[in-house]
Amino acid sequence: SQELEQSPQSLIVQEGKNLTINCTSSKTLYGLYWYKQKYGEGLIFLMMLQKGGEEKSHEKITAKLDEKKQQSSLHITASQPSHAGIYLCGADDRGSTLGRLYFGRGTQLTVWP
Amino acid sequence: SQTIHQWPATLVQPVGSPLSLECTVEGTSNPNLYWYRQAAGRGLQLLFYSVGIGQISSEVPQNLSASRPQDRQFILSSKKLLLSDSGFYLCAWSVWGQTYEQYFGPGTRLTVT
Repeated sequence: SQELEQSPQSLIVQEGKNLTINCTSSKTLYGLYWYKQKYGEGLIFLMMLQKGGEEKSHEKITAKLDEKKQQSSLHITASQPSHAGIYLCGADDRGSTLGRLYFGRGTQLTVWP
Repeated sequence: SQTIHQWPATLVQPVGSPLSLECTVEGTSNPNLYWYRQAAGRGLQLLFYSVGIGQISSEVPQNLSASRPQDRQFILSSKKLLLSDSGFYLCAWSVWGQTYEQYFGPGTRLTVT
């Protein structure tokens, strides 16, 4: 199995500020997936990282996977109220053939104007 | 394009009553299907997954069951609900490939009273 620790658990920032959310695994990550969830809604897939040192961006959100493939960070530049929600990281278990993902507990982001 | 539907969106049921939640996927064939529960303050808990019609695997022993009567239909059921069954239920799908990203439905909010 795969256990993921996310930090911080919650984050409150002023609009326009930058922020970073971290996701750490005790095992090598084969694939790391970032999702966003608004309260009471389903999860929206943001991006997926596979290679050590890989970095991807989607609008003002950038995700990186470290070289050792045990930690990923999600960085938001110039945050906006639309960025508010819960961010979850997930990891796949290549030891399983079932396409299973293991998720962290999430980071609750609040952006105040 | 692919879409995933869940219904009902919200449900309030008394303890001891039966449950049936439905999930359907459009625009893809032979998807892997998943049922998750998200309780307040907790992460996503995988309940069931299915790789094909009639093939169901359970992750957590409980009074819930799942069925897949058609390729793109996944049903979560219970004969007698418990208070502890309250939560946000999410259905997700994925397809076999090099990556394992899952795509989630809008969810069903279940309150057992």
